[in-house]
Amino acid sequence: EDQVTQSPEALRLQEGESSSLNCSYTVSGLRGLFWYRQDPGKGPEFLFTLYSAGEEKEKERLKATLTKKESFLHITAPKPEDSATYLCAVQAYNTDKLIFGTGTRLQVFP
Amino acid sequence: GAGVSQTPSNKVTEKGKYVELRCDPISGHTALYWYRQSLGQGPEFLIYFQGTGAADDSGLPNDRFFAVRPEGSVSTLKIQRTERGDSAVYLCASSLREGARVNEQFFGPGTRLTVL
Repeated sequence: EDQVTQSPEALRLQEGESSSLNCSYTVSGLRGLFWYRQDPGKGPEFLFTLYSAGEEKEKERLKATLTKKESFLHITAPKPEDSATYLCAVQAYNTDKLIFGTGTRLQVFP
Repeated sequence: GAGVSQTPSNKVTEKGKYVELRCDPISGHTALYWYRQSLGQGPEFLIYFQGTGAADDSGLPNDRFFAVRPEGSVSTLKIQRTERGDSAVYLCASSLREGARVNEQFFGPGTRLTVL
């Protein structure tokens, strides 16, 4: 069964304190791995798509990496506005649905 | 509009009533998806449309749930005989699906459904 596990469930960081969020997955043939950001009361906002092991993508203070078993979202020198829930999802071959993890709730305080 | 829109933003209903939730996808997007998100959980897939037809409805929990997309654009999720367990945020997403290429799904703000 296709599955996504995210850790930690919650993370509190001081502004400027870099860290990483983990997304472990099992899927019957990975078509794509997606990272989304979700603010309270809003829908998920697309961040990255990764397709194959070894791939990396960056956007401002965020960098996503992918191996055959997991993905990391690295946050460098975070700011309070980076506070949100970060969701990881996988898409398998022969399907269009996304399978999401439960997310990591990130709080960055000044 | 520039993004996916959903109406209403909030819906409160009584157990046993019928509700309709509407989704307007991004203009030109051929694929439309419905997900459900409970508190503290990630979105859970319900149904996917490619054009007017439901290409995958394997996530619909039971026959009280039904969705349509008659003209290949706007979609309506219909829930009959609502139960308290149906309370959740219902999210709609759309993508420009092109063959086997992976296309990102862009989400709307959701409809928060509360069944009393």
